[in-house]
Amino acid sequence: DTEVTQTPKHLVMGMTNKKSLKCEQHMGHRAMYWYKQKAKKPPELMFVYSYEKLSINESVPSRFSPECPNSSLLNLHLHALQPEDSALYLCASSFFPTRDKRGYTFGSGTRLTVV
Amino acid sequence: KQEVTQIPAALSVPEGENLVLNCSFTDSAIYNLQWFRQDPGKGLTSLLLIQSSQREQTSGRLNASLDKSSGRSTLYIAASQPGDSATYLCAVRPRRVNAGGTSYGKLTFGQGTILTVHP
Repeated sequence: DTEVTQTPKHLVMGMTNKKSLKCEQHMGHRAMYWYKQKAKKPPELMFVYSYEKLSINESVPSRFSPECPNSSLLNLHLHALQPEDSALYLCASSFFPTRDKRGYTFGSGTRLTVV
Repeated sequence: KQEVTQIPAALSVPEGENLVLNCSFTDSAIYNLQWFRQDPGKGLTSLLLIQSSQREQTSGRLNASLDKSSGRSTLYIAASQPGDSATYLCAVRPRRVNAGGTSYGKLTFGQGTILTVHP
């Protein structure tokens, strides 16, 4: 298995809803990431998990809450989002967060629309 | 702070042309550089990964080169096809980790080159 699987592919939610994005990989990677991508922009890092522990939070608002239940699974819990949070949310993984000669693997993303 | 620039921002070519996409970065202390392809509304697909000690990597019609000392990488696409139409992103992985760990695992992306290959 050489893939990062993200579900759902599309999500529409209201500003008072609570929803979760899911990311799964079975490549034995020990670092997992959440990126946010707005239209016509490059991906921006949100969170880094290393060995199931949160190692980087790029000053992301608390309405985004990451969780890493085990080494293969990464969730992003969403609550009270704003319309400007609408974007493509990408999950990625790599063997290690630093000193890793191997590259990153990205999922196909979740297209989130906040109404 | 690492900055990555891609030129051109957009490129439109007829099918069959050989083309070059450029990526430059300001801090040569990189661990590796990765080229990705992104189709509209989709995730990133890794094309080529070049380690800091390597000069080039090849996969099929794609060839990526790296000149770390001058802070440049190029992606060469031979005999372009309409199916090559996509956004191409380069991303660098830092060698140094700041004392506060702020570059820990952080890829720095360029703004991308939008490629259109027309029949």
